[in-house]
Amino acid sequence: GDSVTQMEGPVTLSEEAFLTINCTYTATGYPSLFWYVQYPGEGLQLLLKATKADDKGSNKGFEATYRKETTSFHLEKGSVQVSDSAVYFCALSSNYGGSQGNLIFGKGTKLSVKP
Amino acid sequence: EAGVAQSPRYKIIEKRQSVAFWCNPISGHATLYWYQQILGQGPKLLIQFQNNGVVDDSQLPKDRFSAERLKGVDSTLKIQPAKLEDSAVYLCASSETGSYNEQFFGPGTRLTVL
Repeated sequence: GDSVTQMEGPVTLSEEAFLTINCTYTATGYPSLFWYVQYPGEGLQLLLKATKADDKGSNKGFEATYRKETTSFHLEKGSVQVSDSAVYFCALSSNYGGSQGNLIFGKGTKLSVKP
Repeated sequence: EAGVAQSPRYKIIEKRQSVAFWCNPISGHATLYWYQQILGQGPKLLIQFQNNGVVDDSQLPKDRFSAERLKGVDSTLKIQPAKLEDSAVYLCASSETGSYNEQFFGPGTRLTVL
């Protein structure tokens, strides 16, 4: 079945460092891909998404490109801030069949940014 | 715009007891989801409703879990009897009809089974 694999955490960075969180997926067809973020004490929030190959999602300085050839959707940010400390989840949504719309999540990567 | 509401936020019960969670989705959202998030893992879908009909409940442990969505708005998720392995955060999410891809999540209910 469909699945998402993302890099294990936790990840600890200094402020202004470059961030990459790797995410790869296995899916039938052409899923939509997402990054969700969970800040401490808050619910899951959509960070960015891409719905077809070569699309780039971006928000709050974060970017991720839908790479069909490598089945990847890596999250990047050029300069992280302390306020980016959170748990990041990569997810996919199948666009066909009875499971349409259901999100399949990776295990999450906890990011801590030190001042 | 009000977000997805869930209650209670926390619940502690003993094994073999029953428990119920409530969710009120964003107004106008026809699709409602319940997810289970075990500590250290990503959320896993339990059940999906479209209005008051079930679209997918293939991962719902039907011997102990049940869910309903009366009148296509609020939803309740029940566990009876609870087991230790049911300790998790239960998340409710909703989305607009036809907009299958963007889901809005509630704050979750943290269940501890002792």
